[in-house]
Amino acid sequence: EAGVAQSPRYKIIEKRQSVAFWCNPISGHATLYWYQQILGQGPKLLIQFQNNGVVDDSQLPKDRFSAERLKGVDSTLKIQPAKLEDSAVYLCASSSEGIYNEQFFGPGTRLTVL
Amino acid sequence: SQQGEEDPQALSIQEGENATMNCSYKTSINNLQWYRQNSGRGLVHLILIRSNEREKHSGRLRVTLDTSKKSSSLLITASRAADTASYFCATVPPSSSNTGKLIFGQGTTLQVKP
Repeated sequence: EAGVAQSPRYKIIEKRQSVAFWCNPISGHATLYWYQQILGQGPKLLIQFQNNGVVDDSQLPKDRFSAERLKGVDSTLKIQPAKLEDSAVYLCASSSEGIYNEQFFGPGTRLTVL
Repeated sequence: SQQGEEDPQALSIQEGENATMNCSYKTSINNLQWYRQNSGRGLVHLILIRSNEREKHSGRLRVTLDTSKKSSSLLITASRAADTASYFCATVPPSSSNTGKLIFGQGTTLQVKP
């Protein structure tokens, strides 16, 4: 079965610019997650979707970050404007419904903000 | 916020030796999961243990859970060079019992020398 796809794999931008990341989850997975992983730390959940509805966005910096999941499949995460501290790897994951189901992670997008 | 704290932060062993990593967490949990992250395969789910379980095995992996001490350990037996990676524990608190939200620790970096 195909895994979680993400693009781009790498992105370098200057501060105050905008950037968008794309994620295609495993087919049939209702739940989609976006995580931010800063170097040397564990992933931190930014937003969780159940189908195309937001379940948890409590740690999403809503003044600059936005995410959508149209039609309950693909998702995009946008940062506008970017700050230096947004430099991190952005991971997308998906899972089938249920709290005992493992999450499957994509390869991530490494963002560098100069 | 990070709930789990792994110990040690870094571990270096010889191939064939056993590796033990510990995870402590702050609040009660519904379940605890261990993930591995390396540059080749990204972040991969290893094993899940529920709050009413005390021990679980999967191949060369053995996980224990002590809810009274709010701690878990991951034992990798007969380690191989391919086990070199960062290992993260992730918890699902009761407040997230209907969403499956994971809270990751900081991770343990394991190096297995050939």
